[in-house]
Amino acid sequence: GAVVSQHPSRVICKSGTSVKIECRSLDFQATTMFWYRQFPKQSLMLMATSNEGSKATYEQGVEKDKFLINHASLTLSTLTVTSAHPEDSSFYICSATPPGPGANVLTFGAGSRLTVL
Amino acid sequence: GENVEQHPSTLSVQEGDSAVIKCTYSDSASNYFPWYKQELGKRPQLIIDIRSNVGEKKDQRIAVTLNKTAKHFSLHITETQPEDSAVYFCAAYDGYSSASKIIFGSGTRLSIRP
Repeated sequence: GAVVSQHPSRVICKSGTSVKIECRSLDFQATTMFWYRQFPKQSLMLMATSNEGSKATYEQGVEKDKFLINHASLTLSTLTVTSAHPEDSSFYICSATPPGPGANVLTFGAGSRLTVL
Repeated sequence: GENVEQHPSTLSVQEGDSAVIKCTYSDSASNYFPWYKQELGKRPQLIIDIRSNVGEKKDQRIAVTLNKTAKHFSLHITETQPEDSAVYFCAAYDGYSSASKIIFGSGTRLSIRP
């Protein structure tokens, strides 16, 4: 089946530094990818929709300058958390909808757990 | 935009009993309703889905029902087993539009008591 690969799975960084998370569709092309954030024991909150070749669409309340999204190719989207602070510590999960017959089924990456010290 | 509400937030059932999780949605344009299971520290995995032209779908011990008029859908797990313990999320969206945002319910933490 379709696979979405996400890297790194875990990252620890100092406050004020930037962290990049990569999301790749391994066996299909994804013009659209979705970035979610999940706090402990909470739901998946949509942060932004990443569009290949154009600007990402951010959800209300998500800072564009804080969470930079780049979707430069049909198989790669990146999320950069800039000037990270402890409150940015969270589980970030990317996803995509592989092409196929029927409805667009969301496939998730393994997630990236970010800890900001 | 779409708003998905999910109940209950936590559910504990005796092994072998049934579990039911309910979701409501607001956008009548939504036509695809998947359910995901997420084990601790892992990615959500699709377990069953239903389209708006179907009222019920079953896959072994798991079934989903949809009431389009009332805009609610439910997940039913029968003969529960310890490995069913996890967090379950519902979602509702236009599954045939590339522009559709995929919004999830708040999740239900299911615990199976031995």
